[in-house]
Amino acid sequence: DQQVKQNSPSLSVQEGRISILNCDYTNSMFDYFLWYKKYPAEGPTFLISISSIKDKNEDGRFTVFLNKSAKHLSLHIVPSQPGDSAVYFCAASGYNTNAGKSTFGDGTTLTVKP
Amino acid sequence: DAGVTQSPTHLIKTRGQQVTLRCSPKSGHDTVSWYQQALGQGPQFIFQYYEEEERQRGNFPDRFSGHQFPNYSSELNVNALLLGDSALYLCASSFGQGREKLFFGSGTQLSVL
Repeated sequence: DQQVKQNSPSLSVQEGRISILNCDYTNSMFDYFLWYKKYPAEGPTFLISISSIKDKNEDGRFTVFLNKSAKHLSLHIVPSQPGDSAVYFCAASGYNTNAGKSTFGDGTTLTVKP
Repeated sequence: DAGVTQSPTHLIKTRGQQVTLRCSPKSGHDTVSWYQQALGQGPQFIFQYYEEEERQRGNFPDRFSGHQFPNYSSELNVNALLLGDSALYLCASSFGQGREKLFFGSGTQLSVL
């Protein structure tokens, strides 16, 4: 049973428009969520995170929204740039037995067209 | 400041063989985690080492084992390789065992024939 799901394998947007990537989770013990970006032949790179005590965290063009009741989070990229084209992974971790053990979704491939 | 380094970059083995992958964490980091990423999937947690001990373990068989050295570097060993072990193996480092962000290496691509 996959505890973190990214239901859209791919997303294509025009340069300058908004990209919205979604992620759902099932384990209520998760309380810390992260987004990573991965380019080909490289390891994932941390992008932005959010704690469950917040519902929004913003860093430049990137904003993550958390809806705890729906167990859903989303990553907004505004404006999207061609260099944002990559695979985006949602990850979750929690306290105690889940501390330090991140559970990843299968990723969404974002393509930003010039 | 060197990031996380992994070796080798690529490896080809045959079924039944054993393999050792190596990882040096980012400077200042003391915790190393290993992940397996199959094609088209997200990274799956194998285990985490902190203070030279395995602290957390994912749903992987005992064929997967590891070690952390006093300088915080780490090895992942896989015995009796199966075709299904073919994947990208990622090492990630962090400071402490907490829930903070991970710094990943570029991975070792293992192919089992």
